[in-house]
Amino acid sequence: NAGVTQTPKFQVLKTGQSMTLQCAQDMNHNSMYWYRQDPGMGLRLIYYSASEGTTDKGEVPNGYNVSRLNKREFSLRLESAAPSQTSVYFCASSPAGQGAHNEQFFGPGTRLTVL
Amino acid sequence: KNQVEQSPQSLIILEGKNCTLQCNYTVSPFSNLRWYKQDTGRGPVSLTIMTFSENTKSNGRYTATLDADTKQSSLHITASQLSDSASYICVVSARWDYKLSFGAGTTVTVRA
Repeated sequence: NAGVTQTPKFQVLKTGQSMTLQCAQDMNHNSMYWYRQDPGMGLRLIYYSASEGTTDKGEVPNGYNVSRLNKREFSLRLESAAPSQTSVYFCASSPAGQGAHNEQFFGPGTRLTVL
Repeated sequence: KNQVEQSPQSLIILEGKNCTLQCNYTVSPFSNLRWYKQDTGRGPVSLTIMTFSENTKSNGRYTATLDADTKQSSLHITASQLSDSASYICVVSARWDYKLSFGAGTTVTVRA
């Protein structure tokens, strides 16, 4: 039982390049999330998927797109990377939404640098 | 705007000593508060969760308290170990809101 896995662990991009961050969970959770973590700031929600087939914008969605490929997988795409997107990206999943007692389980993170 | 403020930003303690981390929030209406531990290079892992009616909750050497009236929480680490070196994040959930409010975290360094 691997929990939440993310690939790649590290990535360096040049401004304007595109890439997709992959996330998968094997806990049969309905909801999945993408966050970014920047120094001195709390995690900020980029996009989330309450259930398979649905996606919604979070707090900081500009410059990103997502795909909920199936119940297990939720990918995050940067179409044209910018230096402001340099960050650590975390994927998380929870049994059902962000309500009370719905603990979120986090992946190990992807450290992205945009030059 | 819902906010979560943590203090101190960082602290250093000697192995075996105790420490207390603070969390103040303005999230309303309050649903629950979680403390997460994040080791360097890893994702956050939940330590405790407390709802409105709970004042204290323990997880081993970690004890969290909640005062919903003053909107304050604390995390007390007893008899610290080197493995306690990590960032501790306070996360607050509002009722009827899909979003969680994350604090910036307190970085704890335990030295031998």
